[in-house]
Amino acid sequence: AQKVTQAQTEISVVEKEDVTLDCVYETRDTTYYLFWYKQPPSGELVFLIRRNSFDEQNEISGRYSWNFQKSTSSFNFTITASQVVDSAVYFCALSEARQAGTALIFGKGTTLSVSS
Amino acid sequence: DAGVTQSPTHLIKTRGQHVTLRCSPISGHKSVSWYQQVLGQGPQFIFQYYEKEERGRGNFPDRFSARQFPNYSSELNVNALLLGDSALYLCASSLPPNLYSNTGELFFGEGSRLTVL
Repeated sequence: AQKVTQAQTEISVVEKEDVTLDCVYETRDTTYYLFWYKQPPSGELVFLIRRNSFDEQNEISGRYSWNFQKSTSSFNFTITASQVVDSAVYFCALSEARQAGTALIFGKGTTLSVSS
Repeated sequence: DAGVTQSPTHLIKTRGQHVTLRCSPISGHKSVSWYQQVLGQGPQFIFQYYEKEERGRGNFPDRFSARQFPNYSSELNVNALLLGDSALYLCASSLPPNLYSNTGELFFGEGSRLTVL
């Protein structure tokens, strides 16, 4: 069965600290997609990244970076030099490409609080 | 360009009532998905519609139904409301699934917050 685990419920950091959000997933498929979404207080889920199971290259986008390791079924997200605007709930999600539709399986989310 | 729009943004119902939530996708997007997000949890998949046909259904009772209209907008209906249906209902739109992947980027609206008393 598919499952996404975000073990960290809440993280609090001070501005300019680096922070890593952990994500561990379970799937029987060899082809799947992993996502990170950000949910600010407004409620809208904002897409951050999609990664397919055949692409294990790490990715960096500005202050954001992602570390995908199939060997440990992990897809961790690091924010470098965090800012107050990074405060939000972050969700990791999984989708199996063979399924009809685009159903995402979300983790329970990690609430990140960045204080000034 | 307008993003995904949902209405109403907030509503309060009592147990046993019926509710209809509406969603307008991003222009050009033909696929709409619905998710339920209970407080403190991640979103859970309810339905996906593409070209007015149901393409996927999550583990929700038959009290939940949806449809997609010719203009690709969508409605989510919930009958016989229970207290446990209180949640943020999120609509997402996406470009049609392509031949090699059913999974594209989903663009979410801000949701309809339903409170059942």
